[in-house]
Amino acid sequence: AQSVTQLDSQVPVFEEAPVELRCNYSSSVSVYLFWYVQYPNQGLQLLLKYLSGSTLVKGINGFEAEFNKSQTSFHLRKPSVHISDTAEYFCAVSKINKFYFGSGTKLNVKP
Amino acid sequence: DTAVSQTPKYLVTQMGNDKSIKCEQNLGHDTMYWYKQDSKKFLKIMFSYNNKELIINETVPNRFSPKSPDKAHLNLHINSLELGDSAVYFCASSQVSGAGTDTQYFGPGTRLTVL
Repeated sequence: AQSVTQLDSQVPVFEEAPVELRCNYSSSVSVYLFWYVQYPNQGLQLLLKYLSGSTLVKGINGFEAEFNKSQTSFHLRKPSVHISDTAEYFCAVSKINKFYFGSGTKLNVKP
Repeated sequence: DTAVSQTPKYLVTQMGNDKSIKCEQNLGHDTMYWYKQDSKKFLKIMFSYNNKELIINETVPNRFSPKSPDKAHLNLHINSLELGDSAVYFCASSQVSGAGTDTQYFGPGTRLTVL
């Protein structure tokens, strides 16, 4: 079975500071990796995804993530956050069209 | 011109009642999903339909019955509601099914509260 672990349930950060949201997954086979963002009272929307190729993936809103196969991690980063980045972030893996989501990390950007 | 819409947005009901949640997508996608997000924010897939055909049916009580009248709609009917059914239910859609590479587009969610 797949599992996705997001180690931090909440990450407070000041505006313009860098941030990293951590995601680890367990799988004995190749999977596809995703980060989704959920703004308050909205559905999830895709930030970025890793399918193959370069391990550094760039997404929308200045976010990027790095796939590390040896550490089974897919951490999300942004060099300078904005107030509008305040949201819940979900890491997910998929295998044969089944998606497994982490429990989410709430990013709270303070002025 | 919402891509994936759900109704209602909020649903408050008594234990034992039967209720339905509707979902529609106007993206022309072939595959639709229902997810349940519990109070700890865990998001778990319940069902998936591809072109009106059920392809994923996770371990969900048979009080939950999805229905897809056409590939743009996927409704969720819940019989004999229980307290533990309280959650946010998300509908999603994606273009194709089977590879697991497609982006899923989510609706805004339906917050179900069972009293």
